[in-house]
Order: sequence, then C-alpha cells, then structure tokens
Amino acid sequence: DAKTTQPTSMDCAEGRAANLPCNHSTISGNEYVYWYRQIHSQGPQYIIHGLKNNETNEMASLIITEDRKSSTLILPHATLRDTAVYYCIVRPGPRSGTGNQFYFGTGTSLTVIP
Amino acid sequence: AAGVIQSPRHLIKEKRETATLKCYPIPRHDTVYWYQQGPGQDPQFLISFYEKMQSDKGSIPDRFSAQQFSDYHSELNMSSLELGDSALYFCASSLDTQYFGPGTRLTVL
Repeated sequence: DAKTTQPTSMDCAEGRAANLPCNHSTISGNEYVYWYRQIHSQGPQYIIHGLKNNETNEMASLIITEDRKSSTLILPHATLRDTAVYYCIVRPGPRSGTGNQFYFGTGTSLTVIP
Repeated sequence: AAGVIQSPRHLIKEKRETATLKCYPIPRHDTVYWYQQGPGQDPQFLISFYEKMQSDKGSIPDRFSAQQFSDYHSELNMSSLELGDSALYFCASSLDTQYFGPGTRLTVL
C-alpha cells in the first residue's frame, strides 16, 4: 500500500518554480523517496530519488526534511510540458529483485499555467 | 539510450477472449514489473520477475499469468477477458531504478 500523501492538485505559473510536497511520516530507515511523473497516459517517467540528503539533477531538486517524514520536489522553472501527475513513492532501494515494486498513491496533478 | 519496449501498443478484444502482452526490458536489467492502470486510476502493481523467477505478486487476477523468458523478455497472458480489464498495462524494468515502457492500451468490448 502507498505510504505517502500528496495534495490532489496544484497550479504553477510558467517560468516559476513548482514546489510539490509529499508526506511520508512512516518511512523506514532503509527506504528511499522516489519521484516519478506521468504525462497523460504515457509511462511514468523517473525524475529523482534520495535517502536523506538533498539531491539535484538536470530535471529537479529533492529536498528531504531532517526527520525524513516529508519531502519537496522542486521544478525550478516550470514549463507547459511539466503539466503532469507527480507521484512520490517510498521503497527500499535503489536495487532490483524482491520487494522493489512501486505502490502508487494518488499523486499531485500539476497544471502549469501560461 | 535503449528504453523498455512493449507490444502491441493498442489491443482490442472481445469479452471472454485471451490476450498476450509483451515486454522487452532495457538490456542488462534483471527485474521486470507489470502494472495495470484503469481509467482515471493510479498504476497498480500486478507481478514482478527477478532473473526469470517470479519475485512478487500484487493484485493480479487468477485469470492472468506471466512469465519471463531466457532472453529476459516477459509476457502477460490474460484469459477470459472482462470489460473491467480495459486498462493501460505498463511494464517496467530495473537494475536499480525502475524505467517504464510506453504501455499497452487494452480495450475489451
């Protein structure tokens, strides 16, 4: 079962930063926070993941609170193509094999407004 | 870079027919996952394979079965199709991070 809660929907002005929160208050010490997004019925797209340190890549930044009970995905300069459903998922990893399937929660529907 | 390949991309079947969906993982990935996403719903985990052995089962109906072959491709077999099986079916593969395919849209009439 999903172990995260996210707001159902958010709007963001084009060019501004989009900050998407996620609550994972029951996260275990060995569980990572993953973010994926799904653009209109396409396959979910990997964005970023982290354990306890803040992470940044070419797509986004991930800020994890010190107690690891919540995190925020930051899209620094949102574009219209960032309109999608964003999923925050916790699971052991990164690794393959047993027990590494994803349990998707409801996700946040982000709309970037021109 | 190579991605996960799924075929067919679209499939239309009648009730009580059978369907086979295929997934070709990213080369050297050792784990394959299958997910089902109904209309307006979030993806739900069905089943996974690690090194060609079934590793985990989720909410997969008994009418469905799956296997992973020696070349690591996987097939999801669906029998006695029902209207409620109409959905997007995603395959993902991983060596560490999961990467998803484009999905197969199954419509049962």
